[in-house]
Amino acid sequence: NAGVTQTPKFQVLKTGQSMTLQCAQDMNHNSMYWYRQDPGMGLRLIYYSASEGTTDKGEVPNGYNVSRLNKREFSLRLESAAPSQTSVYFCAATLGQGMGAFFGQGTRLTVV
Amino acid sequence: GNSVTQMEGPVTLSEEAFLTINCTYTATGYPSLFWYVQYPGEGLQLLLKATKADDKGSNKGFEATYRKETTSFHLEKGSVQVSDSAVYFCALIRNTGNQFYFGTGTSLTVIP
Repeated sequence: NAGVTQTPKFQVLKTGQSMTLQCAQDMNHNSMYWYRQDPGMGLRLIYYSASEGTTDKGEVPNGYNVSRLNKREFSLRLESAAPSQTSVYFCAATLGQGMGAFFGQGTRLTVV
Repeated sequence: GNSVTQMEGPVTLSEEAFLTINCTYTATGYPSLFWYVQYPGEGLQLLLKATKADDKGSNKGFEATYRKETTSFHLEKGSVQVSDSAVYFCALIRNTGNQFYFGTGTSLTVIP
């Protein structure tokens, strides 16, 4: 039981390049989330998906797109990377409001 | 709106000292409250939770009580160990919502 798996773990991009961060969960959870973590800022929600087929913007969605491919997978795409998107990205999944969220190990992204 | 405020860090304690990390929240309705712990280079792990007023969450010697009257969920541990060194995040989710709201995190270092 792997929980929440993110790939890749590390990535360096040049400004303007695109990439997709992958996230998969094997816990049959309904809701999935993408956060970014920056020093002194805590976690900020980029997008979330309450259920398969639905997605909603969070606090900082600009420059990102998401796809909830099925119940297991929720990907985050950067169409044209910018240095301001240098961050650690976390995917999370939860079964319901009172259950807490399970997090992946994170993707450390550097945009140069 | 919904928000979580944590005490500023970093916090440095000697081994076996008493720990308190303050957390207060603002939320509409009746949220569920959580504490997460993040060890270096890892994702967030759920430490404990409480889903209604006066509930006490506990795990690994840590405790927090959901206080509706003071809108607080302070984290405590009677005797910290070096292995407790990590960043601690307080979080909430509304009982009618899908978004988690995180505090900015409090870094704890325990010295032998």
